[in-house]
Amino acid sequence: DAGVIQSPRHEVTEMGQEVTLRCKPISGHDYLFWYRQTMMRGLELLIYFNNNVPIDDSGMPEDRFSAKMPNASFSTLKIQPSEPRDSAVYFCASRISSGGANQYFGAGTRLSVL
Amino acid sequence: AQKVTQAQTEISVVEKEDVTLDCVYETRDTTYYLFWYKQPPSGELVFLIRRNSFDEQNEISGRYSWNFQKSTSSFNFTITASQVVDSAVYFCALSEEQTGANNLFFGTGTRLTVIP
Repeated sequence: DAGVIQSPRHEVTEMGQEVTLRCKPISGHDYLFWYRQTMMRGLELLIYFNNNVPIDDSGMPEDRFSAKMPNASFSTLKIQPSEPRDSAVYFCASRISSGGANQYFGAGTRLSVL
Repeated sequence: AQKVTQAQTEISVVEKEDVTLDCVYETRDTTYYLFWYKQPPSGELVFLIRRNSFDEQNEISGRYSWNFQKSTSSFNFTITASQVVDSAVYFCALSEEQTGANNLFFGTGTRLTVIP
């Protein structure tokens, strides 16, 4: 069984450029989560989807961040324009709808904005 | 207020020693879930265990064991006979039923170094 797949694993870009991070959840999982990990703030939830619909985006830092889930097997997190303070590791996770079920995490995308 | 507190920022032990990682949580919900994740140097987050608030039975899995005590709001993790491969950052996390158990509140993590 394939786990949560994220791409790219590493991304280096220059300030002002658009960055798109991709995630393929585990098949059959109907919840998808995007997290950001930084030294200062630790792991924080950015947004999550249920059945492809965004449910809570209160963690999205600002309008430069947007996320979509066009179908059950694909989601993107876009930053436009990117800034150096966006440098972090971005994780995608998915789970089934059973209450309190475990979230399975992808390997993460390490983003560096120069 | 921090929902999950991992007071130990870093711990170093010599191989084969036992080590306990502390986790204290805070919630007003009666139904909640507690988790431990491991983040090795490679960076991925690996699920270790999940516990719901109605199940206080301690659990053992090989060299790993977990002690859940509602009376002290703690969910501690013990590694017996530690090995170098146990070196990682360990996160404790909480989700609450009242928010649909969707938001995982993570502690700040404990970095464990096992010295050969």
